[in-house]
Amino acid sequence: GNSVTQMEGPVTLSEEAFLTINCTYTATGYPSLFWYVQYPGEGLQLLLKATKADDKGSNKGFEATYRKETTSFHLEKGSVQVSDSAVYFCALYPGGTSYGKLTFGQGTILTVHP
Amino acid sequence: EAQVTQNPRYLITVTGKKLTVTCSQNMNHEYMSWYRQDPGLGLRQIYYSMNVEVTDKGDVPEGYKVSRKEKRNFPLILESPSPNQTSLYFCASSLLAGLNNEQFFGPGTRLTVL
Repeated sequence: GNSVTQMEGPVTLSEEAFLTINCTYTATGYPSLFWYVQYPGEGLQLLLKATKADDKGSNKGFEATYRKETTSFHLEKGSVQVSDSAVYFCALYPGGTSYGKLTFGQGTILTVHP
Repeated sequence: EAQVTQNPRYLITVTGKKLTVTCSQNMNHEYMSWYRQDPGLGLRQIYYSMNVEVTDKGDVPEGYKVSRKEKRNFPLILESPSPNQTSLYFCASSLLAGLNNEQFFGPGTRLTVL
């Protein structure tokens, strides 16, 4: 079946540090990949996505590249801010008969200190 | 404002007392879905609906019911809640069930079953 594995958290960084959150996946075919962010007390918001191999998704200074050879979609940001503190979820959508169902990783809590 | 709303946001109840969590979207979306979020497990799909009167099971449907009598509403029903249904619940919707249809999430309902 399909699965997504994220790096264990929580991750604690100082402001302006470099961020990497690892995400690897298992899926048949050619899934689309997503990063969602959940700010405290809120629902999930789509942060970025990539729909085919070698695509790079980017938004708000975050980037992730769809690497089919390593089945990975790692999230990066060059300089984090306190406002980036949130829970980050990697997810995949396999398409086909998945009927809209996203498969999520377990989430990674990020805390950024001033 | 385009949004997905859920009520209540917080609920503490006792084993066996029937409850309903409401979900409503104002974007005329056809596809709606319920997820539960548990620590270390990410989000798992409970039920989904492709359109009015069309619903189907997700990965963890046991102990839950849904209905879709109107396009905008997709309530989640727990006929006889048990402590293992203590969780954070999210409703999501998208225009259609497909790759290029971003899913919008509600703010979540935190349920505690004693």
